[in-house]
Amino acid sequence: DTGVSQDPRHKITKRGQNVTFRCDPISEHNRLYWYRQTLGQGPEFLTYFQNEAQLEKSRLLSDRFSAERPKGSFSTLEIQRTEQGDSAMYLCASSARGTGGGHTIYFGEGSWLTVV
Amino acid sequence: GNSVTQMEGPVTLSEEAFLTINCTYTATGYPSLFWYVQYPGEGLQLLLKATKADDKGSNKGFEATYRKETTSFHLEKGSVQVSDSAVYFCALSDQAGNMLTFGGGTRLMVKP
Repeated sequence: DTGVSQDPRHKITKRGQNVTFRCDPISEHNRLYWYRQTLGQGPEFLTYFQNEAQLEKSRLLSDRFSAERPKGSFSTLEIQRTEQGDSAMYLCASSARGTGGGHTIYFGEGSWLTVV
Repeated sequence: GNSVTQMEGPVTLSEEAFLTINCTYTATGYPSLFWYVQYPGEGLQLLLKATKADDKGSNKGFEATYRKETTSFHLEKGSVQVSDSAVYFCALSDQAGNMLTFGGGTRLMVKP
């Protein structure tokens, strides 16, 4: 399978604990994105990387959230001191510049977080 | 800023009925437009896209035309199947392709 891979798929944690999600993008995709989706809503942009550089962060990404992509390949998203409001699906996506110059973004299966 | 508005669901149809899901957008410049589909418990799958005005994206019997004059990208399918039951998201990306802005999603339920 050469799609975007996310791990774990499901995580239940107690409030106040830290959690980390991993994303492996489609190989050779230089851009990697994180989105958050709550039940019944569309995904909301959190942040994106071009290679190892984090180029944009949403206001949604509070200081409890940190994302890294140290070697420009896989990425991790860590949430510290989790709160019940962090319960959501965290989607990773990747893209590369196409022949027309635009980017088409491909998503992984998502990582469900439940904070109890 | 950019925004996408979709018709609210759920949309309930009988098998073989005609489907239209409306999508309108607000954006600066020349965005690309997308439809994604999400099956229960899964991530988003790209369904189709259009990158410039009057382009028609199509896939699996679904199609949508990029209408700049009406800022719309309505999704259509001539004959829906039970297996098309899912949530459909309209989205746009800015001209640089840096991020996607999504609509709220429209749930489609197709009954046999």
